[in-house]
Amino acid sequence: GQNIDQPTEMTATEGAIVQINCTYQTSGFNGLFWYQQHAGEAPTFLSYNVLDGLEEKGRFSSFLSRSKGYSYLLLKELQMKDSASYLCAVRDSNYQLIWGAGTKLIIKP
Amino acid sequence: GAVVSQHPSWVICKSGTSVKIECRSLDFQATTMFWYRQFPKQSLMLMATSNEGSKATYEQGVEKDKFLINHASLTLSTLTVTSAHPEDSSFYICSATPGQGSSPLHFGNGTRLTVT
Repeated sequence: GQNIDQPTEMTATEGAIVQINCTYQTSGFNGLFWYQQHAGEAPTFLSYNVLDGLEEKGRFSSFLSRSKGYSYLLLKELQMKDSASYLCAVRDSNYQLIWGAGTKLIIKP
Repeated sequence: GAVVSQHPSWVICKSGTSVKIECRSLDFQATTMFWYRQFPKQSLMLMATSNEGSKATYEQGVEKDKFLINHASLTLSTLTVTSAHPEDSSFYICSATPGQGSSPLHFGNGTRLTVT
């Protein structure tokens, strides 16, 4: 079966750095996406990785290792507005998106 | 670019009535749109894949006669929840992508359905 694992919940302090991990086992691989979802709102696109390595976008970076079936989302200089759920999704060989259950990130002052 | 508009944002209806939710791609054509449902504190659950000009593909366990999907044009898909019941109360979200490859899914703002 296809599976994506990410921690259920994480807590971090405002101004700090947090890394949210995602591991996956899927039928083929055509890219990995990270989305941010605030409570009661639809997800918004954060990043896309298809090749190994780090993609940086401002305070957010995403890393991929295809051989390990592993990705992480790194958030720097945390702000209170970063409190949200972060969803990892993998596009499989049929271009279907497989979703993780999401990681709820709680930012404390 | 790549804006998806969903309407209504929220709706309250009585048990037994039907509710239609619209999803539009505003600045791109979407051959395929996706409908998701999300219960509180749970992840997105794909309900069906809406294909322009043909029948939708439903995920296992989703009743096609209850959740009617119509994809009449390259920019519009509708989801009709027929004979709604309180257990259908949920957050329904549509999404679309301009293409494959690196194109991410873009989501509508979602529709909060409450059935009383």
